[in-house]
Amino acid sequence: NAGVTQTPKFQVLKTGQSMTLQCAQDMNHNSMYWYRQDPGMGLRLIYYSASEGTTDKGEVPNGYNVSRLNKREFSLRLESAAPSQTSVYFCASSASPGAGANVLTFGAGSRLTVL
Amino acid sequence: KQEVTQIPAALSVPEGENLVLNCSFTDSAIYNLQWFRQDPGKGLTSLLLIQSSQREQTSGRLNASLDKSSGRSTLYIAASQPGDSATYLCAVRDFNKFYFGSGTKLNVKP
Repeated sequence: NAGVTQTPKFQVLKTGQSMTLQCAQDMNHNSMYWYRQDPGMGLRLIYYSASEGTTDKGEVPNGYNVSRLNKREFSLRLESAAPSQTSVYFCASSASPGAGANVLTFGAGSRLTVL
Repeated sequence: KQEVTQIPAALSVPEGENLVLNCSFTDSAIYNLQWFRQDPGKGLTSLLLIQSSQREQTSGRLNASLDKSSGRSTLYIAASQPGDSATYLCAVRDFNKFYFGSGTKLNVKP
């Protein structure tokens, strides 16, 4: 049981380049999330998807787009990377409220550096 | 907006001590509360989840309590070990969203 799988684990970009972070979960969870973690700032929600076909902005959505491709997959795209987007990105998933234990399960993280 | 605070930000204790980590939140209308552990350079690992209707959960040397009315949760670690050294984060669920504290960095000295 792989849980939440993120790719790539590491990426270096130049300012202005684009890239997509991929996330897949195999726990049949409805809800999926993208967070970024920066020193001194804690975990901040970028976007989330409460169910297949829906996406909503979190605290820090500017500069990002997301796609909920199907129930398993939720991708995060940086269209024109900026140095301020240098961070560690985490994907997470959970069952919907009332549908099981609702444990929030995280992927291993993707470390992105924008030069 | 829900605000989650964890105190202290850092804690250093000798091995074998029992210790308590604190988490407070501003809005008591939560769905559940979860405690996580994060090792340096790693992802978050779930330790305990307490549903809003529960008062506590236990797993091994860990015990988490929840007092919704006062907006507080504690994580009790018994007989601490050097392997417990990590950052501990709490998160409250507000239906679809999770709100995280900044964490308590724990160092257990041999």
